[in-house]
Amino acid sequence: NAGVTQTPKFQVLKTGQSMTLQCAQDMNHEYMSWYRQDPGMGLRLIHYSVGAGITDQGEVPNGYNVSRSTTEDFPLRLLSAAPSQTSVYFCASSDLQSEQYFGPGTRLTVT
Amino acid sequence: AQSVTQPDIHITVSEGASLELRCNYSYGATPYLFWYVQSPGQGLQLLLKYFSGDTLVQGIKGFEAEFKRSQSSFNLRKPSVHWSDAAEYFCAVGGGSYIPTFGRGTSLIVHP
Repeated sequence: NAGVTQTPKFQVLKTGQSMTLQCAQDMNHEYMSWYRQDPGMGLRLIHYSVGAGITDQGEVPNGYNVSRSTTEDFPLRLLSAAPSQTSVYFCASSDLQSEQYFGPGTRLTVT
Repeated sequence: AQSVTQPDIHITVSEGASLELRCNYSYGATPYLFWYVQSPGQGLQLLLKYFSGDTLVQGIKGFEAEFKRSQSSFNLRKPSVHWSDAAEYFCAVGGGSYIPTFGRGTSLIVHP
């Protein structure tokens, strides 16, 4: 099993550009989530999904969109990148009320 | 609602010394509790978890944690720290929502 995979590992964007961060899991988990990690702020939940076709907002959803068309994939879209979105992004998956499995992260810089 | 506090932003210990990282949670019922470790430039790895039963939980890499309901705490301990334990440690609480809530993390610095 590959577990949770994320692409790309690194990305540099200019302000106003859009892009999609990819996340896939092969463990048949129903729950998937996106976090951003900033120094001193821990992990903040952006969006999450409790199954294909079902998504909801987390703590910091502004500027991000998600969709969940399959159990395996949960892409995160930045609509119009801003310097405040410079961060490390982690995707995670889990079963109900169980531990989360994290991807290796995407380091995004917006200039 | 659920929340978690890690009171210590940084902890410095000498190699071979004992370690305790603090975690306090807020949740009305019995929570699910987790400790994760993140090495520099890496993702998060589960150290241990508490769902129910024995309140002293053993994890990987020689770590343990004790669930104390009366103190709303789930502190992480290790009797003898190794230089390779230097990392960021995150406590998380679940039970009140679909996705666990994470603390802000404690950075462990190990002096030789």
